[in-house]
Amino acid sequence: GDSVTQMEGPVTLSEEAFLTINCTYTATGYPSLFWYVQYPGEGLQLLLKATKADDKGSNKGFEATYRKETTSFHLEKGSVQVSDSAVYFCALVPNDYKLSFGAGTTVTVRA
Amino acid sequence: DTAVSQTPKYLVTQMGNDKSIKCEQNLGHDTMYWYKQDSKKFLKIMFSYNNKELIINETVPNRFSPKSPDKAHLNLHINSLELGDSAVYFCASSYTGLATYEQYFGPGTRLTVT
Repeated sequence: GDSVTQMEGPVTLSEEAFLTINCTYTATGYPSLFWYVQYPGEGLQLLLKATKADDKGSNKGFEATYRKETTSFHLEKGSVQVSDSAVYFCALVPNDYKLSFGAGTTVTVRA
Repeated sequence: DTAVSQTPKYLVTQMGNDKSIKCEQNLGHDTMYWYKQDSKKFLKIMFSYNNKELIINETVPNRFSPKSPDKAHLNLHINSLELGDSAVYFCASSYTGLATYEQYFGPGTRLTVT
């Protein structure tokens, strides 16, 4: 079935470092792709999304580009802050409209 | 002005008991969901309701029974609780359709079965 695979964590960075979290997907059609973020003790919230190939989603300094040729949707941020410490989930919605999440990547940013 | 709310936030109970978790959304969405997040943060969908009709029912023990009295509410009742049911349960809601498929999550209910 349709699914996403994201890099395992945990990832620990220093403030102002560059962050990349890899995400690849498997889908029979043309899914929409998402990144959700879960801050400590909270529910998930949508960080960014892309609905078709070559779309770039961006929010709060984070970016991800829908790459059909490599079936990827990697999340990047150029300069992380302590407040970016969270669990990040890659997700897709295939044709059956059921959101499918990756395993989550825990990111810790040290001051 | 909480968008998706859940009660209770924490629930500690003993094996064999029956408990319920309630969820309400004030976003006007027509679809609601229950997810289970285990200790490794893995998130799995359990159920989904669209306008009070069950549309997603994953492989979940029969001890779990969702109920949707109206499209703004989705409750989860769990019978004969087991140790393995300990997890964080999230309610979410959204509009149907791919174009606006953002899901809004509640704060979660941490269930601990002892």
